[in-house]
Amino acid sequence: DSGVTQTPKHLITATGQRVTLRCSPRSGDLSVYWYQQSLDQGLQFLIQYYNGEERAKGNILERFSAQQFPDLHSELNLSSLELGDSALYFCASSPSGRGSYEQYFGPGTRLTVT
Amino acid sequence: GENVEQHPSTLSVQEGDSAVIKCTYSDSASNYFPWYKQELGKRPQLIIDIRSNVGEKKDQRIAVTLNKTAKHFSLHITETQPEDSAVYFCAAPKGSGTYKYIFGTGTRLKVLA
Repeated sequence: DSGVTQTPKHLITATGQRVTLRCSPRSGDLSVYWYQQSLDQGLQFLIQYYNGEERAKGNILERFSAQQFPDLHSELNLSSLELGDSALYFCASSPSGRGSYEQYFGPGTRLTVT
Repeated sequence: GENVEQHPSTLSVQEGDSAVIKCTYSDSASNYFPWYKQELGKRPQLIIDIRSNVGEKKDQRIAVTLNKTAKHFSLHITETQPEDSAVYFCAAPKGSGTYKYIFGTGTRLKVLA
């Protein structure tokens, strides 16, 4: 157990819908990273927050947005869902905003868009 | 550019043999190189990492070597066991003070009993 929690574990929804994925970092970690992993694919970096502020952006679609709240939990919002958005979504947390620190991954949310 | 190349994409070894996975990065400012193990449907787990001020790090049957001149780093697993079967990912940060990891494309390791 990494100490990072994600809810829900599974999510099934229809095209065009909107969903929110939630992540709570390890106690004391200030950074949260979001990744997308499609079937049998690698990890695609989406976005990173540090202590409530956006710090880095990856290949995140405009239909996706995220935020980090004062209690440091983060939410990833996915809207106008398409079939191709079906994937595992992981969040990871790290003590520092700098990439030189290890990241600890949560168990992931499996999103299925039908 | 942003690129971490990982080879091979699949690797089958006999139980007890060694396995080596290699990654090449492009950003010379990268200074931290983790390796993650991911079992099917599970989260990636950090198994070993190395910082740019050392050339090798070992933890029991797992070791990582770093060649900064050539910009590549490798994962070595000795005395492989069936439970080592998984997908392994390398990663490198984009730059030295950056906040993004670039992950390799993964290596599916199968240890044959």
